Amino acid sequence: SQTIHQWPATLVQPVGSPLSLECTVEGTSNPNLYWYRQAAGRGLQLLFYSVGIGQISSEVPQNLSASRPQDRQFILSSKKLLLSDSGFYLCAWRLGFQADTQYFGPGTRLTVL
Amino acid sequence: AQSVTQLGSHVSVSEGALVLLRCNYSSSVPPYLFWYVQYPNQGLQLLLKYTSAATLVKGINGFEAEFKKSETSFHLTKPSAHMSDAAEYFCAVINRGDMRFGAGTRLTVKP
Repeated sequence: SQTIHQWPATLVQPVGSPLSLECTVEGTSNPNLYWYRQAAGRGLQLLFYSVGIGQISSEVPQNLSASRPQDRQFILSSKKLLLSDSGFYLCAWRLGFQADTQYFGPGTRLTVL
Repeated sequence: AQSVTQLGSHVSVSEGALVLLRCNYSSSVPPYLFWYVQYPNQGLQLLLKYTSAATLVKGINGFEAEFKKSETSFHLTKPSAHMSDAAEYFCAVINRGDMRFGAGTRLTVKP
């Protein structure tokens, strides 16, 4: 069966510090991968998605970046965090077919102080 | 482009009462529609999905949703609310191969 992992589960970082959040998927091949952010009271915001290794599409321009160094690994990064980067970050995967379910990881709670 | 709108950011019901969470979609083609639930500090979990096989879709935890093309709706219902149903619920649609979510509805269940 497929599983999706995210780490760390929680993170407290000072403003201006770097960020690296990791997501890995097991039990499937060539998934589409997604990073979402939930800020308080603002629903799900799609940040990045990837349909293959090295292929990243950005939905919202900001100081975050994403990379996909391996088929089932997706990394969210920042060189300098802002207060507004605080939120709950969710990684997700789905196969590329129209009716496929999207599966979510457990999330990372990021607090920038 | 396909999109969904959830009516009501907060819904409060008493335990044992009917749960009705509203979702309307906008789509020029037959949509694929989903309902997800999110408990505090957790990821989203699929409740049910509509893929045109049947208009009434049954999901987990006693939830169901009915696809109504004439009303462009996909409302989520449960006959009798439990305290454990308190969570945030998201409606979603597939748009050009990617999933797009509504703003979410927070369900509170009062004892």
